[in-house]
Amino acid sequence: DAGVTQSPTHLIKTRGQQVTLRCSPKSGHDTVSWYQQALGQGPQFIFQYYEEEERQRGNFPDRFSGHQFPNYSSELNVNALLLGDSALYLCASSFAWTGNTGELFFGEGSRLTVL
Amino acid sequence: AQTVTQSQPEMSVQEAETVTLSCTYDTSESDYYLFWYKQPPSRQMILVIRQEAYKQQNATENRFSVNFQKAAKSFSLKISDSQLGDAAMYFCAYRRGIQGAQKLVFGQGTRLTINP
Repeated sequence: DAGVTQSPTHLIKTRGQQVTLRCSPKSGHDTVSWYQQALGQGPQFIFQYYEEEERQRGNFPDRFSGHQFPNYSSELNVNALLLGDSALYLCASSFAWTGNTGELFFGEGSRLTVL
Repeated sequence: AQTVTQSQPEMSVQEAETVTLSCTYDTSESDYYLFWYKQPPSRQMILVIRQEAYKQQNATENRFSVNFQKAAKSFSLKISDSQLGDAAMYFCAYRRGIQGAQKLVFGQGTRLTINP
C-alpha cells in the first residue's frame, strides 16, 4: 500500500519563476492538504482540496494555487517566486469524512530553493 | 485564531531515560483534537499520538503518553525508555473538531536528541 508520494524531492528556481509540485495521496484517500514548512519552523497550512475544489485556505497569497484531479492527486502551483518561498512543501492526505480524528498521512515533501 | 506554542526549542535525554516535551495551545472551541507528530531527518511527518478533547483519559501509545490538562490548555508528551530512534523534531498540533476540517495548526517544534 503506497503512502503519500510527492515529486520532485528537490528543485531550485530563480525569483519570478513559477513552480508546480505534485502529490499522490495514500490509496483510498480523497482529500489532500498542502503545508509550507520554512527551515526550523512548524508547517503552515496552505489549502485543502476535496472533490476537486479548494475547501479551506490558510493565510497565503493568490500566488499559491492548486488543483485536484479526478484520481485525487493534486498539484501546488506557486507563481512569481520570492526568496521567502524557499521551504519544504508537504502534502498530506486523508478521508474527508471520517467521523473520528481523521489522521493525516504526510509525504516526504518537496524542498524548494529560490535563488 | 488557534495557536500552538512549544517553549522548548531543544531537549536532550540519555538513552533509556524519560523525557517530557511541553506544548500549550489557545482556543475558544470545546471540540478539538491534539496531536504529536515526529519528523525525522527523512522529513516525513509521522503521527505519534492523538488526544480527543472530550476524553478525560490521557492517551497512551506504548512508550509514548500525554498529559492533557484541558483547563490549563496544556498537552505534554512523555517518552519513556528513550531510544536512539526517537531522535527527531517533535511537533504539537491542533485541529478543530468540525467534521471535514483538515487544517492542522502546528507549534514551532522541539528538537529531541538522544545521548547514547
